[in-house]
Amino acid sequence: EDQVTQSPEALRLQEGESSSLNCSYTVSGLRGLFWYRQDPGKGPEFLFTLYSAGEEKEKERLKATLTKKESFLHITAPKPEDSATYLCAVQARRDTGRRALTFGSGTRLQVQP
Amino acid sequence: EAGVVQSPRYKIIEKKQPVAFWCNPISGHNTLYWYLQNLGQGPELLIRYENEEAVDDSQLPKDRFSAERLKGVDSTLKIQPAELGDSAVYLCASSQGTSGSLGTDTQYFGPGTRLTVL
Repeated sequence: EDQVTQSPEALRLQEGESSSLNCSYTVSGLRGLFWYRQDPGKGPEFLFTLYSAGEEKEKERLKATLTKKESFLHITAPKPEDSATYLCAVQARRDTGRRALTFGSGTRLQVQP
Repeated sequence: EAGVVQSPRYKIIEKKQPVAFWCNPISGHNTLYWYLQNLGQGPELLIRYENEEAVDDSQLPKDRFSAERLKGVDSTLKIQPAELGDSAVYLCASSQGTSGSLGTDTQYFGPGTRLTVL
């Protein structure tokens, strides 16, 4: 069974204070690891897909990295508008027939001015 | 390009009443997903369609939930009768590829329908 565990559950940062969110996963054959951002009352918004260990992707103040067991979402010099819940999800290889994403419970990030 | 559209955005019903949710995926997206999201949790799959075929409905409580995707585009998810424990956000997502194609698997989500059962 695919599993995703995110930590911490909640994180409060001061504006400009860099930090990292963790996503540990187990999946029988990883096709992709996905990061989403979710604002209150909205659906998840796609951020990144990582496919293989060692891969990195960046978008503005966010950088996602992937190893064989976990992924990190690094937030550099965050701003209050980065406040949201960040969700990590895995998708198994196509030959498993499992196309749906398995999500973690998310990390609620609050950035104070 | 328009995103995934869902309606209604909010629904409040009494228990034992029926309710239906509607989803219009991104144009050209062949795979459609319905997820359920409880407060403080990540989304969990209810059912997945490839074109008009339900290819993964193992998590759908079939005694009270049903879904359809006529003509492989719009989809409707129905609950009858609703129970108190069904209160949650129902999310629809779509992706371009299918099991037999090489299209991208990135799933794009709609805003969700927040259901409250009293």
